[in-house]
Amino acid sequence: AQKVTQAQTEISVVEKEDVTLDCVYETRDTTYYLFWYKQPPSGELVFLIRRNSFDEQNEISGRYSWNFQKSTSSFNFTITASQVVDSAVYFCALSEAGIYTGANSKLTFGKGITLSVRP
Amino acid sequence: AAGVIQSPRHLIKEKRETATLKCYPIPRHDTVYWYQQGPGQDPQFLISFYEKMQSDKGSIPDRFSAQQFSDYHSELNMSSLELGDSALYFCASSLEGDSDTQYFGPGTRLTVL
Repeated sequence: AQKVTQAQTEISVVEKEDVTLDCVYETRDTTYYLFWYKQPPSGELVFLIRRNSFDEQNEISGRYSWNFQKSTSSFNFTITASQVVDSAVYFCALSEAGIYTGANSKLTFGKGITLSVRP
Repeated sequence: AAGVIQSPRHLIKEKRETATLKCYPIPRHDTVYWYQQGPGQDPQFLISFYEKMQSDKGSIPDRFSAQQFSDYHSELNMSSLELGDSALYFCASSLEGDSDTQYFGPGTRLTVL
């Protein structure tokens, strides 16, 4: 069974600080996808980034970057120069390869990390 | 760009009543998912449909049912509502070949009194 663990529950930083959100996952599949979603106080779930199991290249997209390491089953997410608008709950999620031809698979979420960015 | 549409956005029901939530996926998306998020919890998968056929089922109570129609919109029907059904219900959609990326609607906040 797939599992996602976000050990951090709450993080508080001052604006402009860098912050890293940790995520550890478990899966028996060799093909899977990892995601980060943001849930601001307004409640919607916003897709941020995706990485598939065959691509361990780490990337930077604007103020976001991520570090995917299969050896440690970790998929950490960093926000550089944090801003007040980054305050939200951040979910790491895992999707295994769909078992039905053409069907994508359900997401398993971690418990989420509440990030507070103070001015 | 068009997003996932959910209606209603807010719904208040009494115990033992029924509720129907609607979801309109992003155009051309072929898979729809339903998730339930209780207060302070992570979203939990309920059920999904691919090309109008049920493709996977999670921890969905027997009191709940769902279907996907010919125009790809989906409805989640909830009967004999209980206080514990109060939650945020999300619909998401994805497109085969898009690496499993699910795009979520704004959610329907259901309150059972």
